[in-house]
Amino acid sequence: AQSVAQPEDQVNVAEGNPLTVKCTYSVSGNPYLFWYVQYPNRGLQFLLKYITGDNLVKGSYGFEAEFNKSQTSFHLKKPSALVSDSALYFCAVRALASGGSYIPTFGRGTSLIVHP
Amino acid sequence: DVKVTQSSRYLVKRTGEKVFLECVQDMDHENMFWYRQDPGLGLRLIYFSYDVKMKEKGDIPEGYSVSREKKERFSLILESASTNQTSMYLCASSRPTAGGKDTEAFFGQGTRLTVV
Repeated sequence: AQSVAQPEDQVNVAEGNPLTVKCTYSVSGNPYLFWYVQYPNRGLQFLLKYITGDNLVKGSYGFEAEFNKSQTSFHLKKPSALVSDSALYFCAVRALASGGSYIPTFGRGTSLIVHP
Repeated sequence: DVKVTQSSRYLVKRTGEKVFLECVQDMDHENMFWYRQDPGLGLRLIYFSYDVKMKEKGDIPEGYSVSREKKERFSLILESASTNQTSMYLCASSRPTAGGKDTEAFFGQGTRLTVV
């Protein structure tokens, strides 16, 4: 089965410091990996994706993620955190469903708290 | 601006009622999804559809059904609402994955359903 794991329920970081939100994946074949952000009482917003090519992917709001095939990881990073980055972050993988369709499969989410 | 619109942000229903959650997308996407989101459990797939009148069960279909009569509209139906269906419900759509373009999912703002 294809899945993603987010090992941290919560990440705390001081404003201005670099942040990392961890994600590991388990897929057969080439992985299609995604990060989404959710602000309180809102739907999810797409941040970035890795399909192929450069291992370092840049996305919205200054976020980037590094694909590491040997470690099966896709960690989300930002060089300097902002208080406004505080939100719930979800890692996702494109998984093949039984009928041949592809469906997004999500991790449990990591709550990022950026302290002033 | 692309949009996925859910008909209600907040709903309160009584136990045993039949509940309809509506979702409309304007991106001509073939794939549509219904997830429920609960704290600590992340997003769990209820049903998805990859074409009009087509549907597939997700991970937790029990107590739910869906309808997709038109490409742009995907409805989630709670046949007889129960208190354990109190949750945040998220609708999403995506284009079938081919060539890596537009493979991410677009989400509605969510419907917070309370069953009393």
